[in-house]
Amino acid sequence: KQEVTQIPAALSVPEGENLVLNCSFTDSAIYNLQWFRQDPGKGLTSLLLIQSSQREQTSGRLNASLDKSSGRSTLYIAASQPGDSATYLCATSPGGSEKLVFGKGTKLTVNP
Amino acid sequence: DTGVSQDPRHKITKRGQNVTFRCDPISEHNRLYWYRQTLGQGPEFLTYFQNEAQLEKSRLLSDRFSAERPKGSFSTLEIQRTEQGDSAMYLCASSRTLEAFFGQGTRLTVV
Repeated sequence: KQEVTQIPAALSVPEGENLVLNCSFTDSAIYNLQWFRQDPGKGLTSLLLIQSSQREQTSGRLNASLDKSSGRSTLYIAASQPGDSATYLCATSPGGSEKLVFGKGTKLTVNP
Repeated sequence: DTGVSQDPRHKITKRGQNVTFRCDPISEHNRLYWYRQTLGQGPEFLTYFQNEAQLEKSRLLSDRFSAERPKGSFSTLEIQRTEQGDSAMYLCASSRTLEAFFGQGTRLTVV
């Protein structure tokens, strides 16, 4: 059974800092890994999708990497802004299944 | 609006009542998913449709839960005889390829 862990559970940083959010998963046989953002009381916004054959994806100030062999992914946020404050969730799609298995998320607060 | 649409956004119901939620996926997305999220947790998979066929169901989906996707378009999730433990955010997602897109969710409160 796939398990996804996100560390840290919460993170508070001053504006402008570069930061890294971590995601680990127990079963390396995944189709893809997706990072999402969730604002309080809202749905999920897709940030980046990394297919199993890829090592990283970039979108603006965001960069996500994937190391299947070690069961890890990182989300790098450059030059953080108060508007980046949200909960960040990673999810993997286990091989043989269409579902996503989520971690509990990292709650990020960027202080002005 | 080309996103995933869910209705209602909020629902308060008394224990024992039945509730039904609707999800309209992004046009031309043949895959549709339902998830449930409780406070402080990540979403948990409930069920998956490809077109009108329900292909995967979680053990979380007890006999009180039923989902349909007639004609492979919108989907409904019904909960019968609601219990306080059913209080959660119910999220719908759709996809055409690998990337899943989520709606804003339906917040259910059972009192």
